[in-house]
Amino acid sequence: QSALTQPASVSGSPGQSITISCTGTSSDVGAYNYVSWYQQQPGKAPKVIIHDVTNRPSGISHRFSGSKSGNTASLTISGLQAEDEADYYCSSYTRSTTLVFGGGTRLTVL
Amino acid sequence: QVQLQESGPGLVKPSGTLSLTCGVSGDSISSSNWWSWVRQPPGKGLEWIGEVNHSGSTTYNPSLKSRVTMLVDKSKNQFSLILRSVTAADTAVYYCARARGYIYDWSQGTLVTVSS
Repeated sequence: QSALTQPASVSGSPGQSITISCTGTSSDVGAYNYVSWYQQQPGKAPKVIIHDVTNRPSGISHRFSGSKSGNTASLTISGLQAEDEADYYCSSYTRSTTLVFGGGTRLTVL
Repeated sequence: QVQLQESGPGLVKPSGTLSLTCGVSGDSISSSNWWSWVRQPPGKGLEWIGEVNHSGSTTYNPSLKSRVTMLVDKSKNQFSLILRSVTAADTAVYYCARARGYIYDWSQGTLVTVSS
């Protein structure tokens, strides 16, 4: 299975909004509404911030939102804060009943 | 609040076998969740290795399937990963996790280095 495609890096200034894309195929992202997003701070385990395309777990800021169109999912972070600086990974359930991750995107808050 | 804790050797010789166990507290291994393994080579991205459920049913990453076995031990409330014929490319931080369509609890991770 091939990794989902994410931009290697994105950046934004405090208060701005940024969007990270995650492109797959009709066999994964496009097949189900089972896309999730993870935030990973340096030296820490990943943490889920969005699941099932749009759902935020309890305790996750409303500044994080997810969407999907066709084979591409997106994570939007509004009102950027310094603490948002981290690596972000998307993942998707696949038709083969496996899970596949994106390559990861490093977010820099300028 | 579930806690997941890996245990196992931090150093494995090339061509050898990597074995890790994940102890689960705060949930039963017999629950309806799936118990997963994910790894992350130093400085690189996440790679899903596979998952196992309480009845021993497994799903593996096709790229690793020929070398991987995952097992559950209900008596000890833990699950395990066995990866055979390792090379330097298998050097990574290994995470165990609880999943159900997505991974919602992660262990802290343990670095396993493949080196002679």
